Amino acid sequence: NIVMTQSPKSMSISVGDRVTMNCKASQNVGNNIAWYQQKPGQSPKLLIYYASNRYTGVPDRFTGGGYGTDFTLTINSVQAEDAAFYYCQRIYNSPTFGGGTKLELK
Amino acid sequence: EVQLVESGGGLVQPGRSLKLSCVASGFTFNNYWMTWIRQAPGKGLEWVASITNTGGSTYYPDSVKGRFTISRDNAKSTLYLQMNSLRSEDTATYYCTREIAGGFAYWGQGTLVTVSS
Repeated sequence: NIVMTQSPKSMSISVGDRVTMNCKASQNVGNNIAWYQQKPGQSPKLLIYYASNRYTGVPDRFTGGGYGTDFTLTINSVQAEDAAFYYCQRIYNSPTFGGGTKLELK
Repeated sequence: EVQLVESGGGLVQPGRSLKLSCVASGFTFNNYWMTWIRQAPGKGLEWVASITNTGGSTYYPDSVKGRFTISRDNAKSTLYLQMNSLRSEDTATYYCTREIAGGFAYWGQGTLVTVSS
């Protein structure tokens, strides 16, 4: 079974900063990665699909990258409303989630 | 507008059963695979079960295989999850989801299942 590992587990940054979080697959998954944002008390929301495609309505400060085993989610000029948990997911064939990265604002 | 509305959660004793439902609207239900995903309190997301658009094939992780059964009634646009032999580790919010190509774009609000004596 493929394991998805996210890092860091948490990060605290200031509004306006640029942040990058990581997701590593234990095997080559090509570009079959999605990223989600989840705020407290809410359902997850799809941000990025097929590793680098921004979903409808997602602000362009969110950028996904990577291929194979190493993936990133970058948020340029973080806004206060971006404070949330972020999860990567290997899509298809037993979809598997990473453990998440908690983004806090200073 | 796509809507997914789960129901059926609640408090259940270990070893007992519970059946969740998800009523879908705003799209042609029988065109899409559907998936249940759960989240234990304070924890991450876990895939629970998927079913093809016709209901002809189903998929489960080892953690629930043999205990949970996903099914659907396309005439009623409704997805189900029958959960048997429930354990404390099954305590979670259960989400009904629908994929687009490349990710789960649509999620219900979730229904909480608590397994406790």
